Amino acid sequence: LAKTTQPISMDSYEGQEVNITCSHNNIATNDYITWYQQFPSQGPRFIIQGYKTKVTNEVASLFIPADRKSSTLSLPRVSLSDTAVYYCLVGDGGTGGFKTIFGAGTRLFVKA
Amino acid sequence: KAGVTQTPRYLIKTRGQQVTLSCSPISGHRSVSWYQQTPGQGLQFLFEYFSETQRNKGNFPGRFSGRQFSNSRSEMNVSTLELGDSALYLCASSLERGALTDRQYFGPGTRLTVL
Repeated sequence: LAKTTQPISMDSYEGQEVNITCSHNNIATNDYITWYQQFPSQGPRFIIQGYKTKVTNEVASLFIPADRKSSTLSLPRVSLSDTAVYYCLVGDGGTGGFKTIFGAGTRLFVKA
Repeated sequence: KAGVTQTPRYLIKTRGQQVTLSCSPISGHRSVSWYQQTPGQGLQFLFEYFSETQRNKGNFPGRFSGRQFSNSRSEMNVSTLELGDSALYLCASSLERGALTDRQYFGPGTRLTVL
């Protein structure tokens, strides 16, 4: 069964870059690695998705090394509204696969 | 386009009862996944449906079941409720390829409390 590890919490200040790393072993070889953001009392919201190397969109970047045993979500110049919980999502590479595994989540608190 | 809708938003049941939750995906989305979220266990995958067939399944007991209709709407059912089933149940829809390839859109969830 795939396992994921994320820091439980992180603090930052407005305007700083924040990097959140998710370590994941035994993940499915053909599936994407996806990150979601969740605010209280809401469902998670898609941030970014990638397979290998680096992906960038209008809100974040995602770095995935060649061995795909980790991924790093990079949020440039965070603001107070980025205070939320961030989850990585991977596929289980074990037998019977295709299960989706969410990380435990990283609670990011952005201070003024 | 309307987002993913879930009904009801809140539900209170007692142990031993059963419950049915409903999810309407975004128009055109054919894959629907269900998740349970609790403070202790986080977000856990229940199952995924595509074209009225269960495509993937998580590690939950048989008391948890689901189905999908021809219009892609989905329901999940929990029988013989236990206190530990108290949770936020989230539904997510995606186009076709599922949670591990497509972007998922989540509903607001159904908050189930078992007394």
